[in-house]
Amino acid sequence: ETGVTQSPTHLIKTRGQQVTLRCSSQSGHNTVSWYQQALGQGPQFIFQYYREEKNGRGNFPPRFSGLQFPNYSSELNVNALELDDSALYLCASSFGGGVTDTQYFGPGTRLTVL
Amino acid sequence: DQQVKQNSPSLSVQEGRISILNCDYTNSMFDYFLWYKKYPAEGPTFLISISSIKDKNEDGRFTVFLNKSAKHLSLHIVPSQPGDSAVYFCAASPFTSGTYKYIFGTGTRLKVLA
Repeated sequence: ETGVTQSPTHLIKTRGQQVTLRCSSQSGHNTVSWYQQALGQGPQFIFQYYREEKNGRGNFPPRFSGLQFPNYSSELNVNALELDDSALYLCASSFGGGVTDTQYFGPGTRLTVL
Repeated sequence: DQQVKQNSPSLSVQEGRISILNCDYTNSMFDYFLWYKKYPAEGPTFLISISSIKDKNEDGRFTVFLNKSAKHLSLHIVPSQPGDSAVYFCAASPFTSGTYKYIFGTGTRLKVLA
């Protein structure tokens, strides 16, 4: 059974650029959630996709967008990068989008915005 | 506004002794709580959860206690082992939320000394 994988591992961008982060969910999972973890903070919920439909969104601006593909992998896109977007981006997959459906996290993508 | 607070950034405990990690929350709508453990360069791993209809949940060496009136939960690890050294996050969510959304605390770094 393959766990949650994310790519790339690290990324350096400059302010104003756009970035795409990718996540492959664990086998059998149909739900992907994205989180941003700034240094010294806990993960903050960005949004969730359940069977290719958005199933909730946290308090992030519209320049954070995403999608989920038919194989349930997912992308997080961030436009017009700002310095404060520097963080660890985590994706988590689960079977089901309910609160009690255990989420399995990937190792994250470390994004640095200069 | 930090709705989930972990006021101790770090904790050191001798191997074999009890580790107690604390978490406070402010939102009375929260009624499902979780603990995650995170090792460096890995994503958070689910540890244990509790819903508000219970005041205690046990899984092996890990026990979570919930005090709803005090809006406080704690994680007890007995006995502590060096492999338990990690950052521990508590998270909370309204159980009935149609939008899957965990609010995480800022984490407590546990160091178990051999």
